[in-house]
Amino acid sequence: AAGVIQSPRHLIKEKRETATLKCYPIPRHDTVYWYQQGPGQDPQFLISFYEKMQSDKGSIPDRFSAQQFSDYHSELNMSSLELGDSALYFCASSSVYNEQFFGPGTRLTVL
Amino acid sequence: AQSVTQPDIHITVSEGASLELRCNYSYGATPYLFWYVQSPGQGLQLLLKYFSGDTLVQGIKGFEAEFKRSQSSFNLRKPSVHWSDAAEYFCAVGARDFGNEKLTFGTGTRLTIIP
Repeated sequence: AAGVIQSPRHLIKEKRETATLKCYPIPRHDTVYWYQQGPGQDPQFLISFYEKMQSDKGSIPDRFSAQQFSDYHSELNMSSLELGDSALYFCASSSVYNEQFFGPGTRLTVL
Repeated sequence: AQSVTQPDIHITVSEGASLELRCNYSYGATPYLFWYVQSPGQGLQLLLKYFSGDTLVQGIKGFEAEFKRSQSSFNLRKPSVHWSDAAEYFCAVGARDFGNEKLTFGTGTRLTIIP
């Protein structure tokens, strides 16, 4: 069965650089969620989209932005990267009122 | 706002012994409840979920969980653990409000299996 695809799987950036993370949801899923998991932490919700519109927003820094495109894939754009942004970033997808399926994550390291 | 408490940060169990991981949630109505497992550096795998109906839910890998509304709990159990069960376990709660289905996770319980 198709799963959530995230790219890249690993990303290394310098401070103050920009990063773009991509998420391809399971076919026919209309909702995408982004979570951030710091080292030794639980995943924290960042933002979600339903039918290409932002549906909910969590603890997402102003330096981050995201969108969902017409093909339902989503991108998380992160600017002015800080050391504290180093984390595992998960994307999840679902259809309405169903469970979220998580991708394998993108490990971002900021040096 | 919803919240989840996993009181046990780290549990050590002998292989073949039974396991119970505790989870308490806070939510104004009946929530969606989930247990996820995560191996080091890996993604989150759904073990089981509770949406409605039977309060005892069966999941993958021989896990089960029981929803107890009166105790606001959703404890995870397994009758006999295997070495491969060593991982981090997260309990999560999701709201039933459209547009607010984000998951709130507990801080996780790290499970160590000893021979």
